[in-house]
Amino acid sequence: DAGVTQSPTHLIKTRGQQVTLRCSPKSGHDTVSWYQQALGQGPQFIFQYYEEEERQRGNFPDRFSGHQFPNYSSELNVNALLLGDSALYLCASSTGLAGSLNEQFFGPGTRLTVL
Amino acid sequence: GQSLEQPSEVTAVEGAIVQINCTYQTSGFYGLSWYQQHDGGAPTFLSYNALDGLEETGRFSSFLSRSDSYGYLLLQELQMKDSASYFCAVRDQENTGFQKLVFGTGTRLLVSP
Repeated sequence: DAGVTQSPTHLIKTRGQQVTLRCSPKSGHDTVSWYQQALGQGPQFIFQYYEEEERQRGNFPDRFSGHQFPNYSSELNVNALLLGDSALYLCASSTGLAGSLNEQFFGPGTRLTVL
Repeated sequence: GQSLEQPSEVTAVEGAIVQINCTYQTSGFYGLSWYQQHDGGAPTFLSYNALDGLEETGRFSSFLSRSDSYGYLLLQELQMKDSASYFCAVRDQENTGFQKLVFGTGTRLLVSP
């Protein structure tokens, strides 16, 4: 049973570019949440997708957008990259809505470096 | 606002017991979770407390006091492999009814021989 998978594992971009990160949830999970983790910090909630809609959003600018597909996989898009966007981007999957956040299963993350 | 405070670093020796504290302040509260993250790895779920009291899972136990906005993670019989960062996270519900996890800044645990 595959867990949460993310691609790519590492990515290097320059300021102003755009990036797309991908996530496949754990089998049986239908909810995907995205987090940004700066070095030495805890994960910061970006947004959550359920039934192909953004259901919850953290304090991130509109440059951060996402999508969920019918197979529950998800993408995170970041436009107009800034140096401060350099971080580990984590995808977490769970089931359902309110009851789902007892336990979230995290993927290995995508390490994004913006030069 | 929302904030969670944890000690930045804790050190201990193999076989010892260590407690990692977490105090929180959130607009809504639906439980406290703990996650472990090894360097370069993904956070993995350890425990969850929705009600006051102690939850035990093997060598790890977690405690919650909602009246004090306080919880802790207790690690017993420490092993070298327990060296990692530990995060407390609060389930916080917005006015929309949807919930999200708010993480603390993490506690780095260093276990020495």
